[in-house]
Amino acid sequence: AQKVTQAQTEISVVEKEDVTLDCVYETRDTTYYLFWYKQPPSGELVFLIRRNSFDEQNEISGRYSWNFQKSTSSFNFTITASQVVDSAVYFCALTRGGNTPLVFGKGTRLSVIA
Amino acid sequence: EAQVTQNPRYLITVTGKKLTVTCSQNMNHEYMSWYRQDPGLGLRQIYYSMNVEVTDKGDVPEGYKVSRKEKRNFPLILESPSPNQTSLYFCASSLSQGLSRETQYFGPGTRLLVL
Repeated sequence: AQKVTQAQTEISVVEKEDVTLDCVYETRDTTYYLFWYKQPPSGELVFLIRRNSFDEQNEISGRYSWNFQKSTSSFNFTITASQVVDSAVYFCALTRGGNTPLVFGKGTRLSVIA
Repeated sequence: EAQVTQNPRYLITVTGKKLTVTCSQNMNHEYMSWYRQDPGLGLRQIYYSMNVEVTDKGDVPEGYKVSRKEKRNFPLILESPSPNQTSLYFCASSLSQGLSRETQYFGPGTRLLVL
């Protein structure tokens, strides 16, 4: 069975601090896909990134970066120089693809204080 | 604009009164699915559809029905809602081909309260 664990339920940081959101996953599949989604206070789910299991390159997009490490089954998300607009619940998710569902972690609520 | 739309966005109803939440996508996606989000439980899949007239159960299908008569629409039907179906519901869709098939794009959510 697949499982995603986001151990940090809530994180609070002061604006401009860097923050890392942890995601640890479990799967027996050799091919799988990992995602991060952002859920701002307005409630919608915003896709941030997809990674497949064969691509361990880290990715940077502006202030966002992702560190995928198969050796530790982790897919951590770092926000550099956090801003108030980053305040949201962030979900890590996993799927083996095809018609299988996304398995979500329980989310990490990030509060960035001005 | 490419999007997934849901209606209504907010709904308060009473136990046993049938309701339908509509979902529509304009991206020609073949795969569509419904999730519910509950505090402490995250998001869980209710039903999904690989294509027109092809639907299947997800992890928590009890009390729900779906239909897929057209590619763009995937309504969620609660025949006899109960208070334990009070939740935030999301519709999602994705392409069926290539790596992009794995990325699901979500609608804005429907917040349902069953009294």
